[in-house]
Amino acid sequence: DGGITQSPKYLFRKEGQNVTLSCEQNLNHDAMYWYRQDPGQGLRLIYYSQIVNDFQKGDIAEGYSVSREKKESFPLTVTSAQKNPTAFYLCASSPMGETQYFGPGTRLLVL
Amino acid sequence: GESVGLHLPTLSVQEGDNSIINCAYSNSASDYFIWYKQESGKGPQFIIDIRSNMDKRQGQRVTVLLNKTVKHLSLQIAATQPGDSAVYFCAEFLDTGRRALTFGSGTRLQVQP
Repeated sequence: DGGITQSPKYLFRKEGQNVTLSCEQNLNHDAMYWYRQDPGQGLRLIYYSQIVNDFQKGDIAEGYSVSREKKESFPLTVTSAQKNPTAFYLCASSPMGETQYFGPGTRLLVL
Repeated sequence: GESVGLHLPTLSVQEGDNSIINCAYSNSASDYFIWYKQESGKGPQFIIDIRSNMDKRQGQRVTVLLNKTVKHLSLQIAATQPGDSAVYFCAEFLDTGRRALTFGSGTRLQVQP
């Protein structure tokens, strides 16, 4: 897991609720990423940020939002617009956008 | 922890045997490839990488082979151990625009003692 932390490990969301997943890195990496992982599938890119105060949509951005106010932090908000949020969420960082290093993940469950 | 890939293709090997995990990548212009190992309930862990100007790269007990002609990548694990049991993903990187990895769907390796 290196210097990437994600919290909480488990998160429960009620219907209609927005929830925020935390991702912090102390590796001084410029780029950060959020992925969603469902059983039987690989990782799908939600959002990514290559520099502070800038971020881009990935392949499945609908129903999610992010911010990148600090180099170390890249929080992901799962909004009520995301109708199927149950998944394992992985945050990663990279010094130059190639090799990515992952955090331990957050498992989001819907009540 | 909860299994990550319930419907993944599975490779079952005996402890001590060599394992070969295959991956077909999608973009012939991809110029960098990585293999990751993911244990149940954990984040992926970097194993080995290779650039498109290479055919083979070796690490400790692992070798990655790249065949650009057929867009195929393989991971060979020598003397497989029970601790190697995990899901293995290949990822490709294209150095244009998005500069992000695209992941394959993964293969589950089960090592029988």
